[in-house]
Amino acid sequence: EIVMTQSPATLSVSPGERATLSCRASQSVSSNLAWYQQKPGQAPRLLIYGASTRATGLPARFSGSGSGTEFTLTITSLQSEDFAVYYCHHRGTFGGGTKVEIK
Amino acid sequence: EVQLLESGGGLVQPGGSLRLSCADSGFTFSSYAIVWVRQAPGKGLEWVSSISDNGGATYYADSVKGRFTISRDNSKNTLYLQMNSLRVEDTAIYYCARDPGFSSGSDYFDYWGQGTLVTVSS
Repeated sequence: EIVMTQSPATLSVSPGERATLSCRASQSVSSNLAWYQQKPGQAPRLLIYGASTRATGLPARFSGSGSGTEFTLTITSLQSEDFAVYYCHHRGTFGGGTKVEIK
Repeated sequence: EVQLLESGGGLVQPGGSLRLSCADSGFTFSSYAIVWVRQAPGKGLEWVSSISDNGGATYYADSVKGRFTISRDNSKNTLYLQMNSLRVEDTAIYYCARDPGFSSGSDYFDYWGQGTLVTVSS
């Protein structure tokens, strides 16, 4: 069973700054990785699939990179609506999440 | 507009049963695999089960295997999750979601319902 590990668990960032979130797979998942954003009381929202393809309508400040076992979600110039929990996902496994909070 | 709408959640005693439904619209339901994902209170996301577009293939998390059954009725554009022998640890919000990447092995869930809460408690 593949384990997805996200770091850090919590990331404190000021509005307008860059956020870099990491996801590591216990074995290679090629580029089969997705990222989701979840705000309190809401369903998750797809951001990135195929490690780097942005979902329809996603602002360009969100980008995904990586392959194999190491992946990164980068949010440049954080907006107020970007403070949320982010999950990476491969097939039947989600990472534990990274909470991006206001510094 | 793609919409997924879950229903059927509620309070049930340990050992009891519940059937969830997910009514879908705005897309060709029979062309997509659909999944159930749950989230325990204050916890992360957990994949529960997947079903292929024609219902011919089903998959389950180990935590629910043998107790939950996923099915679909393509004539009604509806997905189901029959949950038996429920445990306290099954308490969660249950989401259904569309999986366009299922057939290629690169799963990702592009549209989600709003979720339905299942509470297992005596």
